[in-house]
Amino acid sequence: AQSVTQLDSQVPVFEEAPVELRCNYSSSVSVYLFWYVQYPNQGLQLLLKYLSGSTLVKGINGFEAEFNKSQTSFHLRKPSVHISDTAEYFCAVLRGDFGNEKLTFGTGTRLTIIP
Amino acid sequence: DSGVTQTPKHLITATGQRVTLRCSPRSGDLSVYWYQQSLDQGLQFLIHYYNGEERAKGNILERFSAQQFPDLHSELNLSSLELGDSALYFCASSVLAGGVEQFFGPGTRLTVL
Repeated sequence: AQSVTQLDSQVPVFEEAPVELRCNYSSSVSVYLFWYVQYPNQGLQLLLKYLSGSTLVKGINGFEAEFNKSQTSFHLRKPSVHISDTAEYFCAVLRGDFGNEKLTFGTGTRLTIIP
Repeated sequence: DSGVTQTPKHLITATGQRVTLRCSPRSGDLSVYWYQQSLDQGLQFLIHYYNGEERAKGNILERFSAQQFPDLHSELNLSSLELGDSALYFCASSVLAGGVEQFFGPGTRLTVL
C-alpha cells in the first residue's frame, strides 16, 4: 500500500515571501504524484502533476514541484506568495494499475499568507 | 469549473435516515470516483466505477453503496446515517480507467444531526 506524509499541518508565510510545502510518500511500486489545492468552501483543483520525465514540474499560479526518487519526496514551492494563495494544499499519489486507480491523499497543509 | 457537477450542495438530515448524492462526470469521462473528506479521516477514497462497472473499493462502509448509470452519472447512497457520516463527499471523473488526471466536483456537504 502507498502512503503520503505532509509533515506541516499549517504554514504561515508573509506575502511575497517564498514557500515550500513538504510531501513525502511511501510505495513499493512506481506512482504518479499530484498536488491539489482546496480554497475555502470549494472543491479540489489540480495544481500540478508528475507522471514521468523531467523531475521539475511547473503548475498553475506560479507553483512548481520537484520529484526526488531517492528521497521519495515531492515538495511544492512558490518563489513569492500572494494573499490569494491562502488555501489548503494536498499532496497525493496514484498507482494507476488495475484496481488501484485511486488517489491516496496526505493530511493537507493549510497555507496562511500574512499581509 | 471542472465540468463535474454534484447535487445537492448541502444536505442536512437526521440519524437513521437515507440519502442519495448525485454526480455527473465531465462530458466524455467514463470513470467516476467517490471520496469522503472528514475532520477525523481526511480525504479518503470510497469507490470507483468505470463505464458502469465497479472497478475498486476503498474504505466504504457496508451502509454505503454506489452505482453508475448508462448515461454515466453516478449516485452514492448512504443509509442508516450516523453522526460520524457528516462530511464533504466529492465526486471526481476521468476519461479512462487509469484516472491519471481526476477532475473534482464541488462536493456535497452532508450534516447528520
